[in-house]
Amino acid sequence: KNQVEQSPQSLIILEGKNCTLQCNYTVSPFSNLRWYKQDTGRGPVSLTIMTFSENTKSNGRYTATLDADTKQSSLHITASQLSDSASYICVVFHTGTASKLTFGTGTRLQVTL
Amino acid sequence: DAGVIQSPRHEVTEMGQEVTLRCKPISGHDYLFWYRQTMMRGLELLIYFNNNVPIDDSGMPEDRFSAKMPNASFSTLKIQPSEPRDSAVYFCASSPGTPNTGELFFGEGSRLTVL
Repeated sequence: KNQVEQSPQSLIILEGKNCTLQCNYTVSPFSNLRWYKQDTGRGPVSLTIMTFSENTKSNGRYTATLDADTKQSSLHITASQLSDSASYICVVFHTGTASKLTFGTGTRLQVTL
Repeated sequence: DAGVIQSPRHEVTEMGQEVTLRCKPISGHDYLFWYRQTMMRGLELLIYFNNNVPIDDSGMPEDRFSAKMPNASFSTLKIQPSEPRDSAVYFCASSPGTPNTGELFFGEGSRLTVL
């Protein structure tokens, strides 16, 4: 069964600190992996899209890594800001007879003073 | 660009009533998606269209749900009759590319509460 699991489920960090969110997937065959940021009461917004051949991709203070062999991805946030408080959703696209995006349930991040 | 526009933002209705959610995709995007989000199950694809044609509706829960896209700038998701378990946030998204390569642009969602 194609699944995307994220950890931790929630996280609280102090402003200015770094953090890393994890995503493990069992999706096969794999095509690409995406990270989305979703503010409370808003729609998800894309942060990165990574294909099979990409190991690292950055978007400002956000850096995503991908290990297609172990089927793991991480999202690293550097020098966190209050505005980083949101849910971060890992999404994997798999091809085949039922090509589709499979969504993780997200990590809820809260950045505090 | 105004982005994907959804209406209403909030809807509270009673069980058995008909609910219609509306979506205007980004101009020029050939793909339109309807998703449902709940705390327990996260985001789930309900249906998606390509050039106004439904391509995959396997995620539509049951016959009470229907979606249409009469033209490139408008889509509706209808629930009739509604039930309390339909309470969720419904998102519309559009994309300029295929589901494999295209980036998804989400609307702000329609929060549905069925009493």
